[in-house]
Amino acid sequence: KNEVEQSPQNLTAQEGEFITINCSYSVGISALHWLQQHPGGGIVSLFMLSSGKKKHGRLIATINIQEKHSSLHITASHPRDSAVYICAVSLGSGGGADGLTFGKGTHLIIQP
Amino acid sequence: DAGVTQSPTHLIKTRGQQVTLRCSPKSGHDTVSWYQQALGQGPQFIFQYYEEEERQRGNFPDRFSGHQFPNYSSELNVNALLLGDSALYLCASRLAGDVLAEYFGPGTRLTVL
Repeated sequence: KNEVEQSPQNLTAQEGEFITINCSYSVGISALHWLQQHPGGGIVSLFMLSSGKKKHGRLIATINIQEKHSSLHITASHPRDSAVYICAVSLGSGGGADGLTFGKGTHLIIQP
Repeated sequence: DAGVTQSPTHLIKTRGQQVTLRCSPKSGHDTVSWYQQALGQGPQFIFQYYEEEERQRGNFPDRFSGHQFPNYSSELNVNALLLGDSALYLCASRLAGDVLAEYFGPGTRLTVL
């Protein structure tokens, strides 16, 4: 059974700080997703990774397949970045059935 | 190009009732997955539909059932509702074979009284 662990569970930081959220998983995966969820529920997909590093604006996501670990970084954080960030992994090859397994999320608050 | 849409956005039911939630996948997507997210928890996988068949199922009782239509839209049905079924129900779609492109709908908030 695959477990997805995120840390920290809660994070409060000041505007402008560099933020790191970590995700570890226990079995081999085909893809890892970083998702953002604001109050009210809607989930937005930030990154989908199978290897290496991706950057979008102030967000950077990295994955180390050998160490079964991924990180989400936010540079120059802003209060509008306040949200729950969720790591989710996919086990399948894509051709077979493969529902995502989610971490419990990291609740991030950026204070002005 | 519309993304994943879900209806209704909010729903209130009483214990023992039945509910049907609906999902329309992103254009071009043929695989639909359903997730339940209890308050303060990460989403839990309910089941996945492809080619109008349930292809994989998470650890949910038979009270949870689904359907996929020829146009790839999907329904989630929950019978004999319990208070513990109160949650946000999320639908996600993708194209079979593309694990890197799963798109989420806004969710349906179900409250069971």
